[in-house]
Amino acid sequence: DGGITQSPKYLFRKEGQNVTLSCEQNLNHDAMYWYRQDPGQGLRLIYYSQIVNDFQKGDIAEGYSVSREKKESFPLTVTSAQKNPTAFYLCASSGTGGFNQPQHFGDGTRLSIL
Amino acid sequence: GDSVTQMEGPVTLSEEAFLTINCTYTATGYPSLFWYVQYPGEGLQLLLKATKADDKGSNKGFEATYRKETTSFHLEKGSVQVSDSAVYFCALGESGGGADGLTFGKGTHLIIQP
Repeated sequence: DGGITQSPKYLFRKEGQNVTLSCEQNLNHDAMYWYRQDPGQGLRLIYYSQIVNDFQKGDIAEGYSVSREKKESFPLTVTSAQKNPTAFYLCASSGTGGFNQPQHFGDGTRLSIL
Repeated sequence: GDSVTQMEGPVTLSEEAFLTINCTYTATGYPSLFWYVQYPGEGLQLLLKATKADDKGSNKGFEATYRKETTSFHLEKGSVQVSDSAVYFCALGESGGGADGLTFGKGTHLIIQP
């Protein structure tokens, strides 16, 4: 079955440490997205990519980095510069067709600070 | 900029009650509108969508009609079940910037009591 796989489901970060969240899709979608979800805040866009080897900052990109070396993969690194990283992180993808296309989501990664 | 406003939660109903979750939006163009559902510990699943004025999206007994004159996309269900307990997100995709992600409301937590 086609879908989006995020791993790990739970992740713990020590102070000063970078951690990388994995996101893989087999939907053959061009566009991929990372969102951060905090309680009562809805979803906020961190980074997005419309095509391989290209990505743009979203609304809250500070302290995060991404890469898009393959169409299927869009890993997110939470750097030590992100001072409040505890949140639920969601990866999504969508096909071509712009704003009419719904986004498909993975099951998320919950990041906590040790 | 674009925004989505949902009714505050939690919304608590008894099984078989009628459900309405209000959603209003502001957008500069002609957006597509979506409802997503999130079950505990999971990602978001697309529930229904509408791409133009007066369109009605429907799925699993849920319905929402795209009302351009009132800039609304209220979610309704005639008879809710305990299994409908979840968080519901209204979202829009803007025609001028759909590739940079959807704009989400803060979510409405729905609790259905047996």
